[in-house]
Amino acid sequence: DVKVTQSSRYLVKRTGEKVFLECVQDMDHENMFWYRQDPGLGLRLIYFSYDVKMKEKGDIPEGYSVSREKKERFSLILESASTNQTSMYLCASSLAGVWNEQFFGPGTRLTVL
Amino acid sequence: TQLLEQSPQFLSIQEGENLTVYCNSSSVFSSLQWYRQEPGEGPVLLVTVVTGGEVKKLKRLTFQFGDARKDSSLHITAAQPGDTGLYLCAAGVGGSNYKLTFGKGTLLTVNP
Repeated sequence: DVKVTQSSRYLVKRTGEKVFLECVQDMDHENMFWYRQDPGLGLRLIYFSYDVKMKEKGDIPEGYSVSREKKERFSLILESASTNQTSMYLCASSLAGVWNEQFFGPGTRLTVL
Repeated sequence: TQLLEQSPQFLSIQEGENLTVYCNSSSVFSSLQWYRQEPGEGPVLLVTVVTGGEVKKLKRLTFQFGDARKDSSLHITAAQPGDTGLYLCAAGVGGSNYKLTFGKGTLLTVNP
């Protein structure tokens, strides 16, 4: 069965802290994605990766960076957390060339105080 | 940016009723997906449609892709409280074989 896991379901951090969100998939998918989801704004793509060590900016990359050292793991880093980064963060993965079907993790609800 | 517009934004119905939600765009898509997201969880893929005019059924859910591949609909027959959730449509971006653009969703509540 398809499985995407995220390191935390809930996280509370303070302004200025460095925050790491981790995502692991066990499906041998080439593509991995980080989104944030906010009421009224829908799902917005932060970064994605189509191969190990490869990354591309999405629609809202400012204030974020990513790391993909292994195929199964994709990390999202908030260099200096701010209150406007309070959100639901969703990781997804997909197999290259298969109608873009994405499989999502359960999400991390991040609160920055 | 290709825009996917979903309607209605909110829908509250009684158990046993039928409903249809829509996903529209001015762009042509090679494929379109529907996802359901329950509160506090990630979206779950329900179906992918790829052929204009295609109809797919998943138990009480019927998905249709428009003839021109610019729009899609999801019809639920005899809705149940377990159908409650956010229904999202998504489609490939600019011919990309991995990026998706998502609609903002229809939030469905089925009351017992």
